[in-house]
Amino acid sequence: AIQMTQSPSSLSASVGDRVTITCRASQGIRNDLGWYQQKPGKAPKLLIYAASSLQSGVPSRFSGSGSGTDFTLTISSLQPEDFATYYCLQDYNYPRTFGGGTKVEIK
Amino acid sequence: EVQLVESGGGLVKPGGSLRLSCAASGFTFSSYSMNWVRQAPGKGLEWVSSISSSSSYIYYADSVKGRFTISRDNAKNSLYLQMNSLRAEDTAVYYCAGEVATTSLDYWGQGTLVTVSS
Repeated sequence: AIQMTQSPSSLSASVGDRVTITCRASQGIRNDLGWYQQKPGKAPKLLIYAASSLQSGVPSRFSGSGSGTDFTLTISSLQPEDFATYYCLQDYNYPRTFGGGTKVEIK
Repeated sequence: EVQLVESGGGLVKPGGSLRLSCAASGFTFSSYSMNWVRQAPGKGLEWVSSISSSSSYIYYADSVKGRFTISRDNAKNSLYLQMNSLRAEDTAVYYCAGEVATTSLDYWGQGTLVTVSS
């Protein structure tokens, strides 16, 4: 199975900060990667698919980049509603695998 | 509006069985692959199983292979997960998720809690 290594596992940031989260795949996955946001007690929400395509309705401060093994989710200016846990998921093959998650907390 | 509503969760003893259901509406259910994803209390997300639109292709995580069975009834717009030989480590919120408009899991239900405990 492809392993997805996500970093950092947590970070503290202030409103307005630029935040970057990375995911590394144990083998090449083309651009078959999605990014998800999850708030406590809620279902995950898709933010980015195909590594860099913004899901409909998601604010443009979220962006994704990368291909092959290294991927990045960037929040250009952190907003209060962005404090949550973020996960990557490889859609390249089965079994699908999630990264371990990144908890974004208020500084 | 796309809606996915899970049901069937509850408390079950180790070794027991449970069947989860996911009722879909607001899209052409029969055209899209569907998935189950779970999240143990305080832990991250774990993909469990996928089924293609016509049930031709089915995949499982190693952790549930041989114990869980995914199925769908396109006439009833419903997805199922039959869970047998349940273990304490299967305790989790189980989400159904669809691949409707993208290559990822773009629609999710609210989840149903399964607790395996004696």
